[in-house]
Amino acid sequence: GDQVEQSPSALSLHEGTGSALRCNFTTTMRAVQWFQQNSRGSLINLFYLASGTKENGRLKSTFNSKESYSTLHIRDAQLEDSGTYFCAAGTSNTNKVVFGTGTRLQVLP
Amino acid sequence: GPKVLQIPSHQIIDMGQMVTLNCDPVSNHLYFYWYKQILGQQMEFLVNFYNGKVMEKSKLFKDQFSVERPDGSYFTLKIQPTALEDSAVYFCASSLAGQGAYEQYFGPGTRLTVL
Repeated sequence: GDQVEQSPSALSLHEGTGSALRCNFTTTMRAVQWFQQNSRGSLINLFYLASGTKENGRLKSTFNSKESYSTLHIRDAQLEDSGTYFCAAGTSNTNKVVFGTGTRLQVLP
Repeated sequence: GPKVLQIPSHQIIDMGQMVTLNCDPVSNHLYFYWYKQILGQQMEFLVNFYNGKVMEKSKLFKDQFSVERPDGSYFTLKIQPTALEDSAVYFCASSLAGQGAYEQYFGPGTRLTVL
């Protein structure tokens, strides 16, 4: 079935450093979203991309539909960036949206 | 940004009872979704609803589940009867359009505890 493989599953960063999260798709996806789930469980919309790259502050995301992957780059990590990050992608011909397994990010002082 | 509301935030019921989870989607959105998340785990798609009909559902959307949006009011998820394994956080989402091509906005979730 449709799958979204997200990596890494967990990540620790010291404040001020950065890293990248990645989602690989096993089928053609029409668009991708990235979310942060905070400690209260709320999902915060970070990015929505049908293609290309978007940047917002210390976050940048890319979606390559042809090569079936998306990335989320975090730079200059802050304590409030801690949480679980999910990608979610919409398949081309259905109304189904599939979530990745999540990346648990812990930012350390 | 656009807000999706969910009522109640937490519901505790006995196994076998009926429960209705309510979602107030973004006002001009046409597609509505329910997802299930067991604590600390992946977000699982349940169902997508448009124009009064279920468009797609997953294997998790059991026969005991139903959705409706009568007269443009709340978009509801009803579980009758409930089972222990239905304990989870249920998230509602809405989007302007569908086919995986439009941005989804999520509510804060309803935590359902089945005893």
